[in-house]
Amino acid sequence: NAGVMQNPRHLVRRRGQEARLRCSPMKGHSHVYWYRQLPEEGLKFMVYLQKENIIDESGMPKERFSAEFPKEGPSILRIQQVVRGDSAAYFCASSPTGAHTEAFFGQGTRLTVV
Amino acid sequence: AQSVTQLDSQVPVFEEAPVELRCNYSSSVSVYLFWYVQYPNQGLQLLLKYLSGSTLVKGINGFEAEFNKSQTSFHLRKPSVHISDTAEYFCAVSEPPGGGNKLTFGTGTQLKVEL
Repeated sequence: NAGVMQNPRHLVRRRGQEARLRCSPMKGHSHVYWYRQLPEEGLKFMVYLQKENIIDESGMPKERFSAEFPKEGPSILRIQQVVRGDSAAYFCASSPTGAHTEAFFGQGTRLTVV
Repeated sequence: AQSVTQLDSQVPVFEEAPVELRCNYSSSVSVYLFWYVQYPNQGLQLLLKYLSGSTLVKGINGFEAEFNKSQTSFHLRKPSVHISDTAEYFCAVSEPPGGGNKLTFGTGTQLKVEL
């Protein structure tokens, strides 16, 4: 049973481009969470999704950021028109239920905006 | 709203010495408590968690933590550290089911084990 897979591991984008980050949950997990880790900071919650539904997006920036978790395929975190301040490590976690007590984290995508 | 405070941003310690990493939390409701470890350029690995029951929780790699409700603390300890324990350690809280499904993290403590 493979763990939570995130790709790419490293992503470089120029200012104004789009970034797409993918998260494939563990087998049997239908709940996904996204977190952002800015340099020298802890992780901050962004969004919680269940298959085809956004359950809690209270941590998502109001503009340029969106997330989806389709019926088939990985969860996608999309950042449009990236700016330097978007440079961070983005982690996803998956769980078979809605509880973090059973969640596992992926290895993260490190986004660098140049 | 919940918050987590990790007072020490860096903790240097010699190999085979004991270590304690401090974590205090603030919440108006009961919480679940977690400690995660992050090795360089890696994801987060769960060390241990407190849900209920015994206040002393044992985790992987010889770590343990004690939940103290009156002091709202959940300090992480290891009696004898190894060079391989060098990493960033994060304390986190979440509300029990029905109250939310996200973790609130502290800012992390960098543990550096020296020879």
